[in-house]
Amino acid sequence: AQRVTQPEKLLSVFKGAPVELKCNYSYSGSPELFWYVQYSRQRLQLLLRHISRESIKGFTADLNKGETSFHLKKPFAQEEDSAMYYCAGNTGKLIFGQGTTLQVKP
Amino acid sequence: NAGVTQTPKFQVLKTGQSMTLQCAQDMNHEYMSWYRQDPGMGLRLIHYSVGAGITDQGEVPNGYNVSRSTTEDFPLRLLSAAPSQTSVYFCASSYSAGEAFFGQGTRLTVV
Repeated sequence: AQRVTQPEKLLSVFKGAPVELKCNYSYSGSPELFWYVQYSRQRLQLLLRHISRESIKGFTADLNKGETSFHLKKPFAQEEDSAMYYCAGNTGKLIFGQGTTLQVKP
Repeated sequence: NAGVTQTPKFQVLKTGQSMTLQCAQDMNHEYMSWYRQDPGMGLRLIHYSVGAGITDQGEVPNGYNVSRSTTEDFPLRLLSAAPSQTSVYFCASSYSAGEAFFGQGTRLTVV
């Protein structure tokens, strides 16, 4: 089955610490993967897409086809990064993982 | 530019009642979809549409109907509400099943 998996429900780090939010996918073909973010009381919005290989708000994500992973990373977490993060994949329809809540403590 | 607009924002239903969640977009997107968001379950796809007149089932379609008579609108109908349908519902639109723009959500409680 086509699936996107985020193994961690909650990730809690201190301000300034590195962050890695894990995402694994299991579907065939060339994956098109995304990270979405939902800040408190805001709409879900696109953060990154693997095609563009860009860095947004200090976050990067690399597609690793060998490990079927698309982990989201940031070297130094900020308190304003606290949010719910979703990994998503385009399989002809957009499917999401279970989400990871990132909590950045002062 | 309004983007994706969902109505209502909040709704309480009694078990067995029916209702329609409205979704409208003004970006001329072909692809629209409905999700439900539940704690620990993430966002699960209910139904989606790749254009006017075309709809398909997602991961959790049971108990919901959709139609797409125009490019702009994609309503979600609950046929006979059940407590298990208590959730936050999100509508999204995009040019393809990729970079999606989301509505603000509808918080539905079924008692």
